[in-house]
Amino acid sequence: EVQLVESGGDIVQPGGSLRLSCAASGFNFSSYEMNWVRQAPGKGLEWVSYISSSETKIYYADSVKGRFTVSRDNAKNSLFLQMNSLRAEDTAVYYCVRPTMTISGRIPFDYWGQGTRVTVSS
Amino acid sequence: QSALTQPRSVSGSPGQSITISCTGTSSDVGGYNYVSWYQQYPGKAPKIVIFDVSKRPLGVPDRFSGSKSGNTASLTISRLQTEDEADYYCCSFAGRYTWVFGGGTSLTVL
Repeated sequence: EVQLVESGGDIVQPGGSLRLSCAASGFNFSSYEMNWVRQAPGKGLEWVSYISSSETKIYYADSVKGRFTVSRDNAKNSLFLQMNSLRAEDTAVYYCVRPTMTISGRIPFDYWGQGTRVTVSS
Repeated sequence: QSALTQPRSVSGSPGQSITISCTGTSSDVGGYNYVSWYQQYPGKAPKIVIFDVSKRPLGVPDRFSGSKSGNTASLTISRLQTEDEADYYCCSFAGRYTWVFGGGTSLTVL
C-alpha cells in the first residue's frame, strides 16, 4: 500500500525557517517524481514544487522561488522541503503528492499524504 | 501562475446534474489536455476524480465526467448523490513541470 507521511510542520515566526519531510513507503520511491502542494486555511490548493526521480529537474511556483528548496534522499525513501524566509502567506497544510502512470495516461496528483501544518505567525 | 477560475459554489438536488467550470488561459487549460479534477472532503486530502480532461481513474463512478472547450474545462456530476457534497478543484499543466489549481468550488447537494 502506498503511504506518504509528512512531518516537520510547526509554528514559526516570519523570516524563520522550517524543513518538512515526507516518508514514502509501499512503492519504489526512487522511480517516481514527486510534488509538494499546499492549502492555506479555508483556501484552495496551490502547487508548490516538483522534483524528478533523480533530482535532475526541479521547479517551483513563483510564490516560493528563491525561498524554498526541494530535495530527496532515494536511499531513505524521503522527500524534503526546506522553507526559508517564511511569510504569513506561507501558512498552510503542506502535502507530499505522488503521480501514477496508468494504461490510459498519467494521473499527476494521485497519492496524497495526510499533510503537515505550517503556521507563520509572530 | 494565476489560479484557474472556478465558481465559488454550486448546488443541486439528488438525482440532478451539475457542471463546474474551470477557466484558464492558452498557457494552461487551453494549451494542454492535462486538466484534472479533485474532490476534497473537509479535513481530508484531495482525491482524483478526472485526469487528462475526461478520463476516470479506476473506482470513480461514471457519474463523473469531464470535458474541455478552448480555455475552459468542465466537470459534470450526473445523478447527484448526497455523498458528492464536497469541494472540487480543477488543475492544469502550465508548462515546464509546473501546475496551476483552481480556487475551488463548494458543491451543496440540497
